[in-house]
Amino acid sequence: DAGITQSPRHKVTETGTPVTLRCHQTENHRYMYWYRQDPGHGLRLIHYSYGVKDTDKGEVSDGYSVSRSKTEDFLLTLESATSSQTSVYFCAISQTGVDSPLHFGNGTRLTVT
Amino acid sequence: QQQVKQSPQSLIVQKGGIPIINCAYENTAFDYFPWYQQFPGKGPALLIAIRPDVSEKKEGRFTISFNKSAKQFSLHIMDSQPGDSATYFCAASDNDSGNTPLVFGKGTRLSVIA
Repeated sequence: DAGITQSPRHKVTETGTPVTLRCHQTENHRYMYWYRQDPGHGLRLIHYSYGVKDTDKGEVSDGYSVSRSKTEDFLLTLESATSSQTSVYFCAISQTGVDSPLHFGNGTRLTVT
Repeated sequence: QQQVKQSPQSLIVQKGGIPIINCAYENTAFDYFPWYQQFPGKGPALLIAIRPDVSEKKEGRFTISFNKSAKQFSLHIMDSQPGDSATYFCAASDNDSGNTPLVFGKGTRLSVIA
């Protein structure tokens, strides 16, 4: 799947704990994205990166932070997990950011109890 | 504010039928309109995309129709097969705004029954 690995694939955590999801790519693409997918809401952008150390917020960024210290890795951190953050999280990459295809990973299913 | 409105939420068709999924947008600066297909347990994958300089684009059994004046675009699947059962997302972006990411519709769950 276009050289994108998300880890972990599944995680159960308790309310109030910090959680970090990792996205690793081997395509050397400049742009990386974190989306969450929820029934009835489709895909919503959390944060994205347009280069190492260059990130920006998406439409549902509250409660999330990201870091990108290397081209290949994009980390998503839930600073203090809440039940509303139970979701499937997808990482995506693209080469140019504008009208180039997004390539998605296979997702991380996160459950916050 | 939802920038791309997709309908219907779900759709059931018989094998060989032609499901149609519709999307509408408000932002006239949008100039790139892709469709993504997602199978259970997988991430979405690009299916077909169109730019507003053409009114229709066909790739195999999949066709996008685009109506710039109505700010609408739709996906048609000819001779649908059970293997087409998936969730479909329309999306849009404004290429002239540099880093602006894709905005997705809420998705349509398609079931093609034999």
